[in-house]
Amino acid sequence: DQQVKQNSPSLSVQEGRISILNCDYTNSMFDYFLWYKKYPAEGPTFLISISSIKDKNEDGRFTVFLNKSAKHLSLHIVPSQPGDSAVYFCAASRQGGSEKLVFGKGTKLTVNP
Amino acid sequence: DAGVTQSPTHLIKTRGQHVTLRCSPISGHKSVSWYQQVLGQGPQFIFQYYEKEERGRGNFPDRFSARQFPNYSSELNVNALLLGDSALYLCASSLSGSNEQYFGPGTRLTVT
Repeated sequence: DQQVKQNSPSLSVQEGRISILNCDYTNSMFDYFLWYKKYPAEGPTFLISISSIKDKNEDGRFTVFLNKSAKHLSLHIVPSQPGDSAVYFCAASRQGGSEKLVFGKGTKLTVNP
Repeated sequence: DAGVTQSPTHLIKTRGQHVTLRCSPISGHKSVSWYQQVLGQGPQFIFQYYEKEERGRGNFPDRFSARQFPNYSSELNVNALLLGDSALYLCASSLSGSNEQYFGPGTRLTVT
């Protein structure tokens, strides 16, 4: 049973435009969410996170939005750059540390020059 | 500062053999987690250790075991390897009380 779902396997955008990656979750116990970026032959790199007490968190070009009632979060990248081309994973956990991360299957983002 | 390191980078084993994978966390991180990533899937949780004690175990058979040492490094052991164990094995470390986990480059295990 997939508790974290990324329904778009791939996304292609033009350089300079906005990239929007989506993620849905089913487990109401999740209250902390993270986005990771992964290049081939490397481990996932932490990008940005959000606690369920917030609905938005920004870090430079990256913004994560959380809609708790819809159990939906999204990652916005503005402006998109070719170096952003990678697989993006959404992950969920319960706060407090010592909690496993539950990952979606990932979305492959391609930013075209 | 050094990130999470893992060894070896790549490994080829035969069915039925056992394997030991190693991980060194970021300095100051006392929690280490192991994940398995197969092609086309997200990482799947195997184990978490904190202060040498197992804090969590995922839905993996008893052929999988792990331990954490006093210096917070960790080993993942897999016995009686199956073809289906071929995957990228990722180690992540985190500060106590933090949900943010930082991953190493992984060990690519191929079972033939």
